[in-house]
Amino acid sequence: GAVVSQHPSRVICKSGTSVKIECRSLDFQATTMFWYRQFPKQSLMLMATSNEGSKATYEQGVEKDKFLINHASLTLSTLTVTSAHPEDSSFYICSARDGSRDGETQYFGPGTRLLVL
Amino acid sequence: QQQVKQSPQSLIVQKGGISIINCAYENTAFDYFPWYQQFPGKGPALLIAIRPDVSEKKEGRFTISFNKSAKQFSLHIMDSQPGDSATYFCAAQSSGGSYIPTFGRGTSLIVHP
Repeated sequence: GAVVSQHPSRVICKSGTSVKIECRSLDFQATTMFWYRQFPKQSLMLMATSNEGSKATYEQGVEKDKFLINHASLTLSTLTVTSAHPEDSSFYICSARDGSRDGETQYFGPGTRLLVL
Repeated sequence: QQQVKQSPQSLIVQKGGISIINCAYENTAFDYFPWYQQFPGKGPALLIAIRPDVSEKKEGRFTISFNKSAKQFSLHIMDSQPGDSATYFCAAQSSGGSYIPTFGRGTSLIVHP
């Protein structure tokens, strides 16, 4: 149990376009979802925390108008990278917390590789 | 400020050997310590986790040792296998907060056949 999916797994886009990444909890309801960014050979950097039906909480230094997060339901959160630029190229990973269980464990998605040309 | 310090940054072990990764934390409010395993191009997966009320937890070949007074915890991989080659992240989080883990910088483990 506790499976989190992400779509797409990889995307290549032109500079200036917007890209939407979906994160779904497949077999549980995610009270909270998290979005991370990971550069090669580095740790995970938390970008924002989202709770279903409310605005996301962004970490310091993360532009909320650049990275739009929507947590429309208990099983779906989306991250939209608006007007993407080459420096936005990275590995984006979502995770979800199952509030019905112990709540402590985060279940990660497989990640989305974004390349902006 | 790095609240969870992880070492070594990289580790090379022969097949059958013991891999040991260490982490130290500063925030005494942390009360949940998970370890994640990440293969290249994949998301992290929970490997094993421990709470501070026990000093050791074992699951198969993986063992966490926890020293509350020293604020240190470590992952031991017994009988290391080439399939264990991955990046390992320790983390620490507080149940009294938002359940957001603070990650270590990661350890790249290579197990030679």
